[in-house]
Amino acid sequence: LAKTTQPISMDSYEGQEVNITCSHNNIATNDYITWYQQFPSQGPRFIIQGYKTKVTNEVASLFIPADRKSSTLSLPRVSLSDTAVYYCLVGDMGAGGYNKLIFGAGTRLAVHP
Amino acid sequence: DGGITQSPKYLFRKEGQNVTLSCEQNLNHDAMYWYRQDPGQGLRLIYYSQIVNDFQKGDIAEGYSVSREKKESFPLTVTSAQKNPTAFYLCASSLTGGNQPQHFGDGTRLSIL
Repeated sequence: LAKTTQPISMDSYEGQEVNITCSHNNIATNDYITWYQQFPSQGPRFIIQGYKTKVTNEVASLFIPADRKSSTLSLPRVSLSDTAVYYCLVGDMGAGGYNKLIFGAGTRLAVHP
Repeated sequence: DGGITQSPKYLFRKEGQNVTLSCEQNLNHDAMYWYRQDPGQGLRLIYYSQIVNDFQKGDIAEGYSVSREKKESFPLTVTSAQKNPTAFYLCASSLTGGNQPQHFGDGTRLSIL
């Protein structure tokens, strides 16, 4: 069962780059790494997913080292609206691997003016 | 627009009463999920379904029941056996199971009268 460890909370200021690191020491060969964002009283929203190296989309980048035992979500130039909880999940992309997904407590990011 | 619709947004239950939370998706996704979220906590899986007429218990299925008679619908019943039902309930779907990106509804907040 792939377990992840993230910081409980982080603080930043508008315009800064924020990096949130997730540790997943027992990640399996077929596991992908996925990040979600959740605002209060809303459902989580998919941000980015990757397997190795670097993935970038219009909102974030995901850095995964060669050993894949950790990953870092990078949010460029954050704004107040990026204040949210960020979840890191690790699991198999195949249908049979669903049971491995766990939404932990996530990382509470607070962006200050 | 395609998406997931949960209703109602707020629900109140009397002691000893069963209540049913609705979840409908028009994304043509095979897999659907129900999560429970308590204040300041992550999401915990209640039930999931990878195909029509099939569903599996998650981590906290006791006191809950589901059905999956149609691909687009996955209602959750909170029974009187669930002694602490006050929580935020989230429904999600994904194209298939596994670690495919999940699309979430806006949730139903259930409270006890």
